[in-house]
Amino acid sequence: EDQVTQSPEALRLQEGESSSLNCSYTVSGLRGLFWYRQDPGKGPEFLFTLYSAGEEKEKERLKATLTKKESFLHITAPKPEDSATYLCATLGPETSGSRLTFGEGTQLTVNP
Amino acid sequence: GAGVSQTPSNKVTEKGKYVELRCDPISGHTALYWYRQSLGQGPEFLIYFQGTGAADDSGLPNDRFFAVRPEGSVSTLKIQRTERGDSAVYLCASSRPGGTQYFGPGTRLLVL
Repeated sequence: EDQVTQSPEALRLQEGESSSLNCSYTVSGLRGLFWYRQDPGKGPEFLFTLYSAGEEKEKERLKATLTKKESFLHITAPKPEDSATYLCATLGPETSGSRLTFGEGTQLTVNP
Repeated sequence: GAGVSQTPSNKVTEKGKYVELRCDPISGHTALYWYRQSLGQGPEFLIYFQGTGAADDSGLPNDRFFAVRPEGSVSTLKIQRTERGDSAVYLCASSRPGGTQYFGPGTRLLVL
């Protein structure tokens, strides 16, 4: 069974203080790793998909990287509007169908 | 274009009652998914439709939960004899075949 673990559970940063969020996974036959952002009272908003170890994707202040065991979401010089819960999810092998397996999320707060 | 829409946005019901939650996917998306998210947790998979048929319903917790998608577009999640433990946010997502899942805003269900 796929397992996804995110750390830390919560992270407080000062504006401009760069950091990284971790997503560790145990999946045989990973077909994709996804990062979503979720604001309070809203549905998850898609950020990135990573398909293979060594791949990197960037969007504004966010950069996602992938190894064979974990993914990192690097946040460079964050702003208060980056405050949200960040979720990672895996898409397992063909035999597991099209379901995503999510971690519990990291709640990020960026103080001005 | 329009994203995934879900109605109602909030639903309060009494223990033992029947509820229906509706999802309108993104136009042209043939795949539709239902997930359930409890407070402080990541979304958990319930059921996946490809077209009109349920391709994977292995995430439904018990036979009180049922979902339909009769014309391959709108889907309804139906919960019979609701229990307090059913209280959660019910999220719907849609995608092109094999594509990224895009989520709606969710329906917040509270069972009193």
